[in-house]
Amino acid sequence: NAGVTQTPKFRVLKTGQSMTLLCAQDMNHEYMYWYRQDPGMGLRLIHYSVGEGTTAKGEVPDGYNVSRLKKQNFLLGLESAAPSQTSVYFCASRKDRGLYGYTFGSGTRLTVV
Amino acid sequence: DQQVKQNSPSLSVQEGRISILNCDYTNSMFDYFLWYKKYPAEGPTFLISISSIKDKNEDGRFTVFLNKSAKHLSLHIVPSQPGDSAVYFCAAPIYEGGSTLGRLYFGRGTQLTVWP
Repeated sequence: NAGVTQTPKFRVLKTGQSMTLLCAQDMNHEYMYWYRQDPGMGLRLIHYSVGEGTTAKGEVPDGYNVSRLKKQNFLLGLESAAPSQTSVYFCASRKDRGLYGYTFGSGTRLTVV
Repeated sequence: DQQVKQNSPSLSVQEGRISILNCDYTNSMFDYFLWYKKYPAEGPTFLISISSIKDKNEDGRFTVFLNKSAKHLSLHIVPSQPGDSAVYFCAAPIYEGGSTLGRLYFGRGTQLTVWP
């Protein structure tokens, strides 16, 4: 089925460990985004990309890095995980810069202990 | 500082009645607002939007009202159904250099529970 796939769905990390969250879309979308959702905080934009090879910072980029080497994939990296990064991470994509057609993945639940 | 505020974390409504979810915003430059719906273990899905040149937009059982002078919008669901039970997020575009690039501010969400 077409859409946005996030890998893994769940993960537990120890403080200081690193990991990469993968987001893959098969809709040929140009724009991709990483958001995090925390209890009582709504969704906040971490990083985004407006096309292959591009990345930019969002509202809360500290502690994260991203890469968009292929158009269909947007990777979110945590170099040294901290308990404050315990969250649910959502990836989204869209075809162009308009406001419709935002497709979200089902999320990755990350716990840092 | 939150640009988009949803001050009610939860709302409980009986099936068949009206559900009213509220959202306030601080930036008068916002020219577009969206509502997203989220079920547990799923990503948010787009529900309905409204442009600032309108004060109402309707789509089936869902209507969004915008009061620009009060910087307030509301989502009305009539009649409410148990399948509407979900978290509802209000969102507005993040502008930088005159462009949003599709980025959004989200409110904290309101958990709607519709009981039979």
